[in-house]
Amino acid sequence: DAKTTQPPSMDCAEGRAANLPCNHSTISGNEYVYWYRQIHSQGPQYIIHGLKNNETNEMASLIITEDRKSSTLILPHATLRDTAVYYCIVRVAFTGTASKLTFGTGTRLQVTL
Amino acid sequence: DTGVSQNPRHKITKRGQNVTFRCDPISEHNRLYWYRQTLGQGPEFLTYFQNEAQLEKSRLLSDRFSAERPKGSFSTLEIQRTEQGDSAMYLCASSPGGQGNEKLFFGSGTQLSVL
Repeated sequence: DAKTTQPPSMDCAEGRAANLPCNHSTISGNEYVYWYRQIHSQGPQYIIHGLKNNETNEMASLIITEDRKSSTLILPHATLRDTAVYYCIVRVAFTGTASKLTFGTGTRLQVTL
Repeated sequence: DTGVSQNPRHKITKRGQNVTFRCDPISEHNRLYWYRQTLGQGPEFLTYFQNEAQLEKSRLLSDRFSAERPKGSFSTLEIQRTEQGDSAMYLCASSPGGQGNEKLFFGSGTQLSVL
């Protein structure tokens, strides 16, 4: 699976949009981009994933560049409860395999008042 | 959907003792995973079950580690002759399977401290 690069930490004011970048310059055509987050003392929580089109769900939006070498997770209105470590993961996905995810060290997002 | 349940939440043991953790996945999820997480690091894959079959094991899983999923439902992870380096959060996750891009649902983990 392709390696990802994320900033170690970011701050965001409550109510503002949090934009978390991820670089995955060696991504292959059949690799998906996943985002998970981990709130202190809890297990990771799935947020969103995509292949090449932008995706949106009730939690966040995922913007993938046209060359697929980078992506941005957007939390449109960050709250204090969004303070967590955010992991960007790239993995191959095809029928019959298990979703063995390789986590890096992620971005620690601190949402402040 | 009651989520993935892990017990105990915390375990303190002395070096050399054996410990066992339990994971109850989301019902009808046929895939179950174990991960380990040390302070400041992301979770690391240990092993994976498809129903009762253990299909993959990481090189991190030494001979002192054994995992079972006897009836394809709950799973146990046992560590024999614990060492201080085994101190970590042990996370369990499950997924419904069927497609390669399914999402994993994690439990809150078991925090192991080896004294």
